[in-house]
Amino acid sequence: KAGVTQTPRYLIKTRGQQVTLSCSPISGHRSVSWYQQTPGQGLQFLFEYFSETQRNKGNFPGRFSGRQFSNSRSEMNVSTLELGDSALYLCASSLSTSGGASPYEQYFGPGTRLTVT
Amino acid sequence: SQKIEQNSEALNIQEGKTATLTCNYTNYSPAYLQWYRQDPGRGPVFLLLIRENEKEKRKERLKVTFDTTLKQSLFHITASQPADSATYLCALAGNTGKLIFGQGTTLQVKP
Repeated sequence: KAGVTQTPRYLIKTRGQQVTLSCSPISGHRSVSWYQQTPGQGLQFLFEYFSETQRNKGNFPGRFSGRQFSNSRSEMNVSTLELGDSALYLCASSLSTSGGASPYEQYFGPGTRLTVT
Repeated sequence: SQKIEQNSEALNIQEGKTATLTCNYTNYSPAYLQWYRQDPGRGPVFLLLIRENEKEKRKERLKVTFDTTLKQSLFHITASQPADSATYLCALAGNTGKLIFGQGTTLQVKP
């Protein structure tokens, strides 16, 4: 079974631009979560999508948004990029069901390294 | 606010010894706790999960304990090997299933 894939793997953008990152979950996984990882803050939860609906949300500004398609693929968008948005963005999928609270392990992709100059 | 603390300093041990990593949390009542391993430039990989009503879980050379009174989890790697060198992350989840990660502890096993 193929793992979680993320594209692109590396991205360089200029302050003020916007960016869209893509994630394809493991086949059969309907839950997709996004995380931001930086040396200072560690791994921080952005949001989770399940069946095309945002189910959980972290404490990030509205510049960070996402969506999920009917095939469970997900995208996240960051508008008006700031230097502090430079980070590794990780996507994870799981077998989580509609209940949401079950302890399913997360399968992470390799991440997209975003650099904002 | 919810806070998760892991050993901030790197842990250096000799091959063959047992590595013990700590995860402490405050202002939180997690339903379960997970441990992940992360190698440089890669996404985290799931290792073990333990629920709030479980005291201990084992998988091969790995053992996790969960003390909800002390608000602490300990992660042990017995007979450590240089290949175990990585960053280890603990993650807690409440009833919503949202995972909150600690900063991670870097383990270096020397031959």
